[in-house]
Amino acid sequence: DTEVTQTPKHLVMGMTNKKSLKCEQHMGHRAMYWYKQKAKKPPELMFVYSYEKLSINESVPSRFSPECPNSSLLNLHLHALQPEDSALYLCASIGGAKNIQYFGAGTRLSVL
Amino acid sequence: AQTVTQSQPEMSVQEAETVTLSCTYDTSESDYYLFWYKQPPSRQMILVIRQEAYKQQNATENRFSVNFQKAAKSFSLKISDSQLGDAAMYFCAYRSLSGGYNKLIFGAGTRLAVHP
Repeated sequence: DTEVTQTPKHLVMGMTNKKSLKCEQHMGHRAMYWYKQKAKKPPELMFVYSYEKLSINESVPSRFSPECPNSSLLNLHLHALQPEDSALYLCASIGGAKNIQYFGAGTRLSVL
Repeated sequence: AQTVTQSQPEMSVQEAETVTLSCTYDTSESDYYLFWYKQPPSRQMILVIRQEAYKQQNATENRFSVNFQKAAKSFSLKISDSQLGDAAMYFCAYRSLSGGYNKLIFGAGTRLAVHP
């Protein structure tokens, strides 16, 4: 099983809303990632969690707040987002003998 | 810092034909990984093929193969017997072996269209 599950698939929110994105993997991977992807662009790394600790924050605005409650689950809490934050948010995890990064199908976020 | 360049924003191929997507990269490291990921309209990034820099042999996965030229820092993807399901955005990616929490550095991508 090489599945990374992201929910919801689509999310529409206003600029004053608070919402959360969820990512789950049951492959025993110890590193998990959040990426932001704008249309026709490559994914941009936002955060990396390694062994449930935040290891990399790529200077992401504080209106994005990651959380890793356990080794299988990664959340991204959203608050007071801007329309330019509308994008596809991808989660990934890495592990296994070949150290391959596996991606979820993403959450398509629209900020109105 | 490492960079990855995909110079072909768009490519097209006829079904059953062969197409090659180009990728070059810049690094001062001697050991690293290179990847090709596919992103169809369903949005999920799917690993197509992986190459370890210390291996001279080019990686192959069924209809997909790479031409890895380490000295030239080139990593092209060849798709043989193209199928309609191969239509997608293809990203070349680099990953260092030294630190960085397995961070992937992506190229800008190549959109591949497959015509029946």
